[in-house]
Formats: sequence, C-alpha cells, structure tokens
Amino acid sequence: QKEVEQNSGPLSVPEGAIASLNCTYSDRGSQSFFWYRQYSGKSPELIMFIYSNGDKEDGRFTAQLNKASQYVSLLIRDSQPSDSATYLCAVNGNSNSGYALNFGKGTSLLVTP
Amino acid sequence: SQTIHQWPATLVQPVGSPLSLECTVEGTSNPNLYWYRQAAGRGLQLLFYSVGIGQISSEVPQNLSASRPQDRQFILSSKKLLLSDSGFYLCAWSPGQGARKQYFGPGTRLTVT
Repeated sequence: QKEVEQNSGPLSVPEGAIASLNCTYSDRGSQSFFWYRQYSGKSPELIMFIYSNGDKEDGRFTAQLNKASQYVSLLIRDSQPSDSATYLCAVNGNSNSGYALNFGKGTSLLVTP
Repeated sequence: SQTIHQWPATLVQPVGSPLSLECTVEGTSNPNLYWYRQAAGRGLQLLFYSVGIGQISSEVPQNLSASRPQDRQFILSSKKLLLSDSGFYLCAWSPGQGARKQYFGPGTRLTVT
C-alpha cells in the first residue's frame, strides 16, 4: 500500500519566521510531488510541485525533494497569518491509477501575529 | 484559462435517498477527471477516475458510482446514501496523457442525516 505520511501538527510559528513542513512517502518509484494548501472549508489549491531531486523556489515557497530518503519538504519564508492553513503533501500514482494523487492527511500550520 | 465547476456546493440528504453530484471543466479537452472524498479527520480518498468518455475506474468498492457522459462532464451518483457517505466531495482534473498536476473544483459538502 502506497503511503504518504505527514505530521498532523498543529505547527505554530510566529509571523516572519520560516515554517518547515515535512512529508515522507513509501513508493520508491514515485516521480512527481506536490504541495497543496487547504483553508478551512475550502478545496485544496496547488502551490508547489517538484519532480527532480534538490530545491525548487517560487516566491516565499521552497520545495525540497530527496528521493533517496523518500522525503519531501516545504519551506515557507516570512510566514504571514494568511499562510495559516492545512498543507497537504501529494504523490502521483502511476498509469494504473490514472496518475491519481496519494495524499497525506495534512499538516495544520498556524502563523501567530 | 481552465475552470472547474461543481454543484451543488452543499447538500443535506436523508439516509437511503439518491445522490447526483456534477462536475464540469471548461477551457480544455480530453482531461483526466477524478472524484475524491475528504471525510472529517481523514485524508483525501480517491473514489473514481476517468481518462476518457465512458471510461471509469473505481478505486474503492462502495455504493457510489460515476459516469462521464461528455468529455468535460463527470457525475458522481448513488442510489441509496449511507451515513458513512457524508464528507467533502472534490472533483479534480489534469491535462491527461500522463500529466501530473491536478486542479480541484470548489467541492460539494454532503451531510447524510
């Protein structure tokens, strides 16, 4: 069974700090990795994706991938109260599942003013 | 640009009643389409996916069914709802042909009473 694991949190960081969110996955053949942000009562919004080992930066967000360790992380710099949400890590399945995503249960982030 | 719609936004239905949720995508053709369910305290669970008109694959045996009568239309149905069917139903699309990123609709919150 393919699993995606995240700490449920809540992770509390002060405004302006760096928030670090982590995710591990079990399927060593996975190739595509995603971070979604979900506000309470809303649908998930894609904020980052990464396909290759290393870092990928987009604005205040940095995604990090280490396939050898089966580990994905999301860094949020200069955290803002508006970043308070649940962050979902997702990993692509293969063609047998129509490339559907396997999701972790999410990490709740609280940014305090 | 592409847009995904879902309706209704919220629904309260008694146990044993039928269900029909609709999802449509605009601005693209031949997308992969997905139905996920997010139950309280649980992660997103893939229910169905479709890679083309009339092509439906089910991931979880249950009293739900799906249909894709048109290229950009995906319908989730049930003949008799159970209490355990309550949850947040999310439709998602990806560009198809092995494409990786998925984009979610606004969701339907279903409460079975």
